[in-house]
Amino acid sequence: EIVLTQSPGTLSLSPGERATLSCRASQSVSSSYLAWYQQKPGQAPRLLIYGASSRATGIPDRFSGSGSGTDFTLTISRLEPEDFAVYYCQQYGSSPPGVTFGGGTKVEIK
Amino acid sequence: QVQLVQSGAEVKKPGASVKVSCKASGYTFTGYYMHWVRQAPGQGLEWMGRINPNSGGTNYAQKFQGRVTMTRDTSISTAYMELSRLRSDDTAVYYCARFIAARSAQHFDYWGQGTLVTVSS
Repeated sequence: EIVLTQSPGTLSLSPGERATLSCRASQSVSSSYLAWYQQKPGQAPRLLIYGASSRATGIPDRFSGSGSGTDFTLTISRLEPEDFAVYYCQQYGSSPPGVTFGGGTKVEIK
Repeated sequence: QVQLVQSGAEVKKPGASVKVSCKASGYTFTGYYMHWVRQAPGQGLEWMGRINPNSGGTNYAQKFQGRVTMTRDTSISTAYMELSRLRSDDTAVYYCARFIAARSAQHFDYWGQGTLVTVSS
């Protein structure tokens, strides 16, 4: 089973700053199978990035994803007040079929 | 528009079972796998398993094997997740989520609103 490790656990930043979130896999992951989600308190997760770098419908272009193999990154170029939330990476494995989530990174207001 | 609407909150005693429903609308129910994910209070997301609404075939996370059963009723476009022998650490919000399985994309695109299951004596 592939383990996803997200870092840092918490990121304290100010609005307007750049956020860089890391997701490291215990073994190589197909880029097609790596996604990022945003979750706010009391809400279901929302898809941000799929296929490691494709933005989901309606997601602002300040969100970008990159990476391959075992190292993936979510970047928020300039933090808006509504971006303070928890972010999860997720991968799908086909043999056996299953889904793994990272432990999450909380982006909080400094 | 795609919607996944889950059943309401439940309070159960240890040892009991709970069955959560997820009614889909706005798309062809049998065309997409439905997965279940849970989130304990203050914790991260945990995958429980999936069902193919077309065939009824299931795959469960090893942690839940023997305790979870996922079913569906195609006539009403509804998926179900039943968890038995509940323990206090099963207290969580349970989500259904539609899964996109394409050559270049494998991810959840729509989520239910979540169902809080509280296990307490």
